[in-house]
Amino acid sequence: AQSVAQPEDQVNVAEGNPLTVKCTYSVSGNPYLFWYVQYPNRGLQFLLKYITGDNLVKGSYGFEAEFNKSQTSFHLKKPSALVSDSALYFCAVRVLYGNNRLAFGKGNQVVVIP
Amino acid sequence: EAGVAQSPRYKIIEKRQSVAFWCNPISGHATLYWYQQILGQGPKLLIQFQNNGVVDDSQLPKDRFSAERLKGVDSTLKIQPAKLEDSAVYLCASSLAAETIYEQYFGPGTRLTVT
Repeated sequence: AQSVAQPEDQVNVAEGNPLTVKCTYSVSGNPYLFWYVQYPNRGLQFLLKYITGDNLVKGSYGFEAEFNKSQTSFHLKKPSALVSDSALYFCAVRVLYGNNRLAFGKGNQVVVIP
Repeated sequence: EAGVAQSPRYKIIEKRQSVAFWCNPISGHATLYWYQQILGQGPKLLIQFQNNGVVDDSQLPKDRFSAERLKGVDSTLKIQPAKLEDSAVYLCASSLAAETIYEQYFGPGTRLTVT
């Protein structure tokens, strides 16, 4: 079954420092991978996706993610974290070919410390 | 462009009672999803509609959950009767179509507490 794992529960980072949120995947076939962010009392917001092409994907709010096939990873990164980046981040993978049904990881709480 | 609308935002009921949630997707979006997000977990798909037809309801507990999208626009998710373990945030999402290239847009969710 297609799945993703987010090994960390919480990521703490100082404002201005690089931010990395980890995600590994397990799929049969080519993976279609996504990152979403959830702010308190709000729905999920799309950040970026990898379908094919360049391994470095750029998304919203200065975020990017690197697809690494050999390590089966799709880590989310931001060069310089802002306090406003504090939120819950979800990695997701397409479950079915030809359909955008997604399976989500458990999420990572990111806390950016001023 | 208006986003995905959901109501109510919060609901508290006792176990064995019934509850219904409403979702209005982004205009023109053919695909609609209902997710259940339990505290500390990622969203889990309950049901996916394409227009007014069900594409996937394999994870919907059909003995107590039901959903409909009669006119292919807004949708209702019902729980009858509710159990304590149904306490969660119920998220509605929509996308232009069901193909992977179309991203999903989420509503703010309905937080259900079953006591």
